[in-house]
Amino acid sequence: DADVTQTPRNRITKTGKRIMLECSQTKGHDRMYWYRQDPGLGLRLIYYSFDVKDINKGEISDGYSVSRQAQAKFSLSLESAIPNQTALYFCATRGGQVSSYNEQFFGPGTRLTVL
Amino acid sequence: GDSVTQMEGPVTLSEEAFLTINCTYTATGYPSLFWYVQYPGEGLQLLLKATKADDKGSNKGFEATYRKETTSFHLEKGSVQVSDSAVYFCALTSMTGNQFYFGTGTSLTVIP
Repeated sequence: DADVTQTPRNRITKTGKRIMLECSQTKGHDRMYWYRQDPGLGLRLIYYSFDVKDINKGEISDGYSVSRQAQAKFSLSLESAIPNQTALYFCATRGGQVSSYNEQFFGPGTRLTVL
Repeated sequence: GDSVTQMEGPVTLSEEAFLTINCTYTATGYPSLFWYVQYPGEGLQLLLKATKADDKGSNKGFEATYRKETTSFHLEKGSVQVSDSAVYFCALTSMTGNQFYFGTGTSLTVIP
C-alpha cells in the first residue's frame, strides 16, 4: 500500500464550487505539505504543517485553506474554485528531527480542473 | 531567499546518449541538495541527494556532485534508456530544514 495517498485522483468542478482534497499518510511523519504543479512553474508551496496545531502559509496560499485533522491527515480546501486553480496538486510528508538531510515523500497527485 | 535554477527543457536524447541537466542554487549556509524524478502520471520520487560540499549522490546510474564553489548540483548519466523518460526536479532545503525549494523541472524524452 502507498505510504502517502491522495483523494480524489481526478476532479472536474465548476467555478464557485467548494472543493476539498484529502491527504493521508502511514509514514508517521509530523510534517506535511501541499504543493501545486503548473507547467513551466515547477512546484509551488501552498501550505505546510509541522504538527496538528501548527499551520503555515506557503508561497501561494491565497484562495486556499487547510485543515490538519490528525497527524496522518492534511486536507486542502478551495472555498470558491476559479479556473486558474486548475493544476496538479501534491501532498508530501517529511519525517525525523528538524534536519536538512531528510527528503520529502510525495503522494500520487490530484488533477483538478475548474471549468 | 533560497532558490534553485534549473536547465529548461524539453530535452530529447537517443538511447545510450550522455545526459546532463544543469542545476544551480542560491542559499545561505549549507543546504542539502536533491534530485527528484516524476514519471508520467506519478508523484515525485527521490532520485539522489547530497548533504555537504563535494558529496556525490548516485542512484540508478545517475550522479550529481555538490559543488559549493560553483553553487551547482548538475545531474548526469552516462547512457540513458527509454525508461528514463520523465521530468527531473532539482531541489534544496535550507539549514533549518523547514521548506523545500524546487526548480521548474526538466522534461527528458529518450527515443529508441
